Amino acid sequence: SQQGEEDPQALSIQEGENATMNCSYKTSINNLQWYRQNSGRGLVHLILIRSNEREKHSGRLRVTLDTSKKSSSLLITASRAADTASYFCATGANSKLTFGKGITLSVRP
Amino acid sequence: GAVVSQHPSRVICKSGTSVKIECRSLDFQATTMFWYRQFPKQSLMLMATSNEGSKATYEQGVEKDKFLINHASLTLSTLTVTSAHPEDSSFYICSARDHETRSYEQYFGPGTRLTVT
Repeated sequence: SQQGEEDPQALSIQEGENATMNCSYKTSINNLQWYRQNSGRGLVHLILIRSNEREKHSGRLRVTLDTSKKSSSLLITASRAADTASYFCATGANSKLTFGKGITLSVRP
Repeated sequence: GAVVSQHPSRVICKSGTSVKIECRSLDFQATTMFWYRQFPKQSLMLMATSNEGSKATYEQGVEKDKFLINHASLTLSTLTVTSAHPEDSSFYICSARDHETRSYEQYFGPGTRLTVT
């Protein structure tokens, strides 16, 4: 299985701090994507990084990808209470996504 | 843009009955749609890949006769849970890929909470 594994499983930070979440996977990928899910809702696509890319930015988000270590990180800078959610990494290959278990991020106001 | 809707958002049904869940891409065409299942505080598990005009491809361990998928048009896929049992209670989420952009990104619906009593 190439399921992503995120760590930590849960993260609690103060508003304004940065949040770093990590994801590791097992097999070859075409791309890696990060999604956010608010409780009981669908998923929102945050950012996609292709296997030939090493770093990507989108607003307060920064994602890195190290294919030699089969790992990725998502950094959310200057966190806000509204960032409180579950975050999933998903590895893409053969047109399918395989999701990790997710990280629960709590941002205290 | 790239909005996916699901209907219904919540459904409660009795054991033994069938339930149909619709997934629609509202502002784009989707040759491929995906159906996932999510248990509380767990990850999404891919159930099947739905291709317009052809049979769905089911993941290992997913009963195709129990979870019927029909992708009749470029904007609509349906999942029918047949002879539902309490263990089928779950959060079902669909997603779609944009046919025109061929992007790897999947656009997710808001999910359907199924409770079987």
